[in-house]
Amino acid sequence: KAGVTQTPRYLIKTRGQQVTLSCSPISGHRSVSWYQQTPGQGLQFLFEYFSETQRNKGNFPGRFSGRQFSNSRSEMNVSTLELGDSALYLCASSYGTSGAFFGPGTRLTVL
Amino acid sequence: LAKTTQPISMDSYEGQEVNITCSHNNIATNDYITWYQQFPSQGPRFIIQGYKTKVTNEVASLFIPADRKSSTLSLPRVSLSDTAVYYCLVGDIDYGQNFVFGPGTRLSVLP
Repeated sequence: KAGVTQTPRYLIKTRGQQVTLSCSPISGHRSVSWYQQTPGQGLQFLFEYFSETQRNKGNFPGRFSGRQFSNSRSEMNVSTLELGDSALYLCASSYGTSGAFFGPGTRLTVL
Repeated sequence: LAKTTQPISMDSYEGQEVNITCSHNNIATNDYITWYQQFPSQGPRFIIQGYKTKVTNEVASLFIPADRKSSTLSLPRVSLSDTAVYYCLVGDIDYGQNFVFGPGTRLSVLP
């Protein structure tokens, strides 16, 4: 089975721009979660989607949003980018009570 | 969400068994315990998950005492490639994977 894939792998943006990241979960997995990882804050939960509905949400500003499509693929969007949004963004998928399987991440750099 | 406490760092030598203990005093009835391994600039990799007693797979064992207030990840015969950060997570996975990641345990395996 193919693992979780994330595109793009690397991205450079400037302050004020917006960005959309994509995640394709493992086939059959209906839950997709997003995390932000920075050296200072570590891994922080952004939100989780299940069957196209946001089921859980972390403590991030409204500039961070996401959605899930009927095929379980998910996107997250960050608007009005700030320097502090530079991070590794990780997507994880899961099925039922199995463990979450993470993708390789998208490295976002905001200049 | 239950808070977890684990050692910040550990050193070991190749071929030894490594045990990393995690405390989760306020674990809830529906919470599962999950361990992940992460290498620099990669997404966390699922190692093992359990609810109670002992769980074993091809890479590790997870020991959970009856009161479930702690858990121990056991890595048999570690090698240099096991040098990584190990995260202990506790959560009700029936309602989605929305884990709170702590700083993890940085394991260094020495030759």
